[in-house]
Amino acid sequence: EAGVAQSPRYKIIEKRQSVAFWCNPISGHATLYWYQQILGQGPKLLIQFQNNGVVDDSQLPKDRFSAERLKGVDSTLKIQPAKLEDSAVYLCASSQGQGSNQPQHFGDGTRLSIL
Amino acid sequence: AQSVTQPDIHITVSEGASLELRCNYSYGATPYLFWYVQSPGQGLQLLLKYFSGDTLVQGIKGFEAEFKRSQSSFNLRKPSVHWSDAAEYFCAVGAAGGYQKVTFGTGTKLQVIP
Repeated sequence: EAGVAQSPRYKIIEKRQSVAFWCNPISGHATLYWYQQILGQGPKLLIQFQNNGVVDDSQLPKDRFSAERLKGVDSTLKIQPAKLEDSAVYLCASSQGQGSNQPQHFGDGTRLSIL
Repeated sequence: AQSVTQPDIHITVSEGASLELRCNYSYGATPYLFWYVQSPGQGLQLLLKYFSGDTLVQGIKGFEAEFKRSQSSFNLRKPSVHWSDAAEYFCAVGAAGGYQKVTFGTGTKLQVIP
């Protein structure tokens, strides 16, 4: 089966600019996650979708970050405006169900550098 | 809320030597436990998981982990390390009941020397 697809792989922008990331989960996976992984740290959950509804966005900085999964398949994560501290790898993952016992399948991530 | 600690930031082992990576969790009931591996420039890949039952679980690539409730630990082991095992390893914990997110540790970077 095809894995989780993410694009772009790399992005360099200046602070205060905007950026968007795209994720296509594994076919049939109802749950989609966006994580932020800062260098030297573990992934931190930003938002979790179940189909096209939001399950958890408690750690999403909503003043600058937004995410959507309109048709319950693909998802986009946007940052506007970007800050220096947003430099990180943004990982998308998917799982069949939403329980925390569900193994998550990760994409290769988008590495974002803010100048 | 659950939490997980990986006390070793960086570990170096010789190829062919045994490996043990430590993971301690905090959660009141039986947790769901995972080990993931991340190679440079890639996403995380699941090595193994524990939900219940036999406390020694086998995973891919010759890895195993043992759940010890008395020590709140879930250490990852491999009897003989290969150069291709060099990567970063993340322990993660989830919990049953309603919505519970998975929390990841800060990772242990493994270096393998010839």
